[in-house]
Amino acid sequence: QSALTQPPSASGSPGQSVTISCTGTISDVGGYNFVSWYQQHPGKAPKLMIYEVSKRPSGVPHRFSGSKSANTASLTVSGLQAEDEADYYCSSYAGSNNLRVFGGGTKLTVL
Amino acid sequence: EVQLLESGGGLVQPGESLRLSCAASGFTFNSFAMHWVRQAPGKGLQWVSAISNSGGSPYYADFVKGRFTISRDNSKNTLYLQMNSLRVEDTAIYYCAKDLGTGACFDSWGQGTLVTVSS
Repeated sequence: QSALTQPPSASGSPGQSVTISCTGTISDVGGYNFVSWYQQHPGKAPKLMIYEVSKRPSGVPHRFSGSKSANTASLTVSGLQAEDEADYYCSSYAGSNNLRVFGGGTKLTVL
Repeated sequence: EVQLLESGGGLVQPGESLRLSCAASGFTFNSFAMHWVRQAPGKGLQWVSAISNSGGSPYYADFVKGRFTISRDNSKNTLYLQMNSLRVEDTAIYYCAKDLGTGACFDSWGQGTLVTVSS
C-alpha cells in the first residue's frame, strides 16, 4: 500500500494553466480507471473534484479536468483563480480488499 | 444535503482505546459504503478503513489491521471506528467519508475529529 507520488508544490499566475501529476503502479493507477482528485483548503475537509479519471461532480467548474496515461494521472486547472490555491490529493483504487491509496499532496500556489 | 458529523476524538495515552462515531444524514445511509480517512498534523491524507453498505465486508489498511474495527448501525445512520492499542503515530484528524457508489471515490466528507495519542 505505497502512497502515490505527487510533486510537493505547483504554481501559476491567474489565468494560466497548471498540471499536477500523480504516479502510481499497475496495481493502482495503471490498473483501474478509478483515480480521483480532492481539493483541500487549510482547516477544511477535502472536496471531491474529479472521479473516474476525468469525470466532474456537479458543481465543480469546467476549469478542472483529469486524464491518465499508463501509471500516471494528471489534474489540470485552467484559467487559474485565486480560490484555486489549496492542497490537491490524488487517490486510486488499489485492488482486492477494497484498498485505496492517496498521493502525498501538492500545494498549489496562485502567484 | 449530505451531512457527516464525527465525534469521539480526544487525548489518550499510548496503548489506550477510543471509539469514533460518524452520524450521517441527508442520504440513504444503508445504500452506500463508508470510509474512515485520517490526516496527521501537517501531513497528507491516508485511507484507514471501509465498510460495505450492509456492514458485512470491512476492509483495513495494513497499519491498522488487528487494532481498529470498523462497524455501522444502519438503524441509527451511524458509522463507527473502534481504535485499540493506539500508538503515537495514530495521532491525526479522522474523517468519515461517504462512498460515491461508483468510481471508488469519496464524495462527501465530515469535518473530522482529532485524535491525539501522547504520554
